[in-house]
Amino acid sequence: GAVVSQHPSRVICKSGTSVKIECRSLDFQATTMFWYRQFPKKSLMLMATSNEGSKATYEQGVEKDKFLINHASLTLSTLTVTSAHPEDSSFYICSASTGTGNYEQYFGPGTRLTVT
Amino acid sequence: RKEVEQDPGPFNVPEGATVAFNCTYSNSASQSFFWYRQDCRKEPKLLMSVYSSGNEDGRFTAQLNRASQYISLLIRDSKLSDSATYLCVTQNFGNEKLTFGTGTRLTIIP
Repeated sequence: GAVVSQHPSRVICKSGTSVKIECRSLDFQATTMFWYRQFPKKSLMLMATSNEGSKATYEQGVEKDKFLINHASLTLSTLTVTSAHPEDSSFYICSASTGTGNYEQYFGPGTRLTVT
Repeated sequence: RKEVEQDPGPFNVPEGATVAFNCTYSNSASQSFFWYRQDCRKEPKLLMSVYSSGNEDGRFTAQLNRASQYISLLIRDSKLSDSATYLCVTQNFGNEKLTFGTGTRLTIIP
């Protein structure tokens, strides 16, 4: 149980385009989903926390207009990188939590974004 | 200062040896502690939670010292499959947000 998927697993896009990444909880309802970014040889940095049906809470320094997060259902959250630039190239990982007293987070397999 | 600090390594250890990692955290509000392992280009996976009384899971032992804000992980009889990056992670009480250390890279040498 507690499986989280991400799609796509890898994407290459041109500078200036937008890319959408999906995060799905496959066998549980995720009231809260988290989006992380990881640069090579660096740790995971939390970008934002999203709760189903409400606006995401962004961490300091993360541009909410550039990284659009939608958590429209209890099993799906999306991250859209708008007007992508090469410096946005990174490994994006989502996690999901049931939020019912057990704060364990279940991680998706990640999406590797390369902006050319 | 980073909220969770780890020695990045790399640690190159012969198979069968014992290896220990340390981690310090600066936020005294941290209440839950974990060790995750992350393989290259993969997502992090929970290795074990860390409790004040210390806990053991097979070859892995984790310790927490709240007074010193220090966490450790001991791996005994290391296997080639233990090669990975080990992430020290904290979580505040009543808050699901996880704070990750930069990780310690371990390579087990045959």
